[in-house]
Amino acid sequence: AQTVTQSQPEMSVQEAETVTLSCTYDTSENNYYLFWYKQPPSRQMILVIRQEAYKQQNATENRFSVNFQKAAKSFSLKISDSQLGDTAMYFCAFMNNAGNNRKLIWGLGTSLAVNP
Amino acid sequence: EPEVTQTPSHQVTQMGQEVILRCVPISNHLYFYWYRQILGQKVEFLVSFYNNEISEKSEIFDDQFSVERPDGSNFTLKIRSTKLEDSAMYFCASSETSGGGQGETQYFGPGTRLLVL
Repeated sequence: AQTVTQSQPEMSVQEAETVTLSCTYDTSENNYYLFWYKQPPSRQMILVIRQEAYKQQNATENRFSVNFQKAAKSFSLKISDSQLGDTAMYFCAFMNNAGNNRKLIWGLGTSLAVNP
Repeated sequence: EPEVTQTPSHQVTQMGQEVILRCVPISNHLYFYWYRQILGQKVEFLVSFYNNEISEKSEIFDDQFSVERPDGSNFTLKIRSTKLEDSAMYFCASSETSGGGQGETQYFGPGTRLLVL
């Protein structure tokens, strides 16, 4: 069974600095997707970034980028130039790309505080 | 920008009562999902739905739960007889396809916070 591990329950960063959130996963599959979702205090679940496992190039979305290491099964999120609005819970999620099985498997989350 | 909507935002109910949580997925999406998040715990998959039938369900999704797409827009989750442990945030999500590419991405509604007393 696939599992997702986020080993940092809480992190903090100063505004304008860079922070990296860790995520590792376990799977025997070769074809899958990885996601980072953000959950601010409103508790809405917002997609931050996605990565297809077959792509070697790391995904980027503005200030957000990932370091995808397929062999190591690692998928970390880097937030550059942190802003106060980045304060949120961040969840790493895995989705297998096989058949009709499209459920997301989630890590426990990392609570990020951006300090002024 | 199209978005998933959910109603109600909050629901308080007595143990043993039935609740129906409603979702309106993004209009051109074909795959629908329910997840729940008990406070302080990880998000858990409940059920996926495609072509008017359940594609997959978790062990949490027992006979007390059911899903329905009663018309062309709504997607509902019914809990027949609520228990205290059903108290959680319930998220609906939808995706365009399941065939690979950007269409795989699941977009979430704002959630319904259910409290069972």
